Amino acid sequence: EAQVTQNPRYLITVTGKKLTVTCSQNMNHEYMSWYRQDPGLGLRQIYYSMNVEVTDKGDVPEGYKVSRKEKRNFPLILESPSPNQTSLYFCASSFGGQGNNEQFFGPGTRLTVL
Amino acid sequence: AQSVTQLDSQVPVFEEAPVELRCNYSSSVSVYLFWYVQYPNQGLQLLLKYLSGSTLVKGINGFEAEFNKSQTSFHLRKPSVHISDTAEYFCAVRRIGGYSTLTFGKGTMLLVSP
Repeated sequence: EAQVTQNPRYLITVTGKKLTVTCSQNMNHEYMSWYRQDPGLGLRQIYYSMNVEVTDKGDVPEGYKVSRKEKRNFPLILESPSPNQTSLYFCASSFGGQGNNEQFFGPGTRLTVL
Repeated sequence: AQSVTQLDSQVPVFEEAPVELRCNYSSSVSVYLFWYVQYPNQGLQLLLKYLSGSTLVKGINGFEAEFNKSQTSFHLRKPSVHISDTAEYFCAVRRIGGYSTLTFGKGTMLLVSP
């Protein structure tokens, strides 16, 4: 089944403890992206990747890192999480970065930083 | 740069009533338009998209949307809603040409009651 998977689905952590949220897709997509969803703000893009080893900042990149060493994986790294990073995170992928490509979304990761 | 405005944060309706969820966008260049649905505790799923051609676009689950270029709108409609349509709906745009990011509105919560 074609899908985007994220792990973990739920995570509670404390301020300053490094964490990684994994994202993997099995559709051979070139383009991958991370969003955060906050009430009343919709989805905002954190980082995106056009292809392996090519990443760029989205609208809200502060406090996050990403890497794209393999085509299928695009982990999101929080080196020193803070409470304002408590949010619902979505990974997405599409065949290409052009506008007409449908983005497929993962199930989401709910992160709480205490 | 582009932006998306969803005029209603919540729309309560009774089952079998018609509904319209409003979306207006602003962009200095031509864009593709999308509607996504998010059911409770799930990721986003594409409802429909406008890329070109007929301005009336039909999507899944009986939804349709009409692109109005002069009014820069892309309102979503359904003639008769079901309880199962209760979800959050997001309008999004993506620039035509080249690589571009997906810009979301803040979402409209559709609440269908019996």
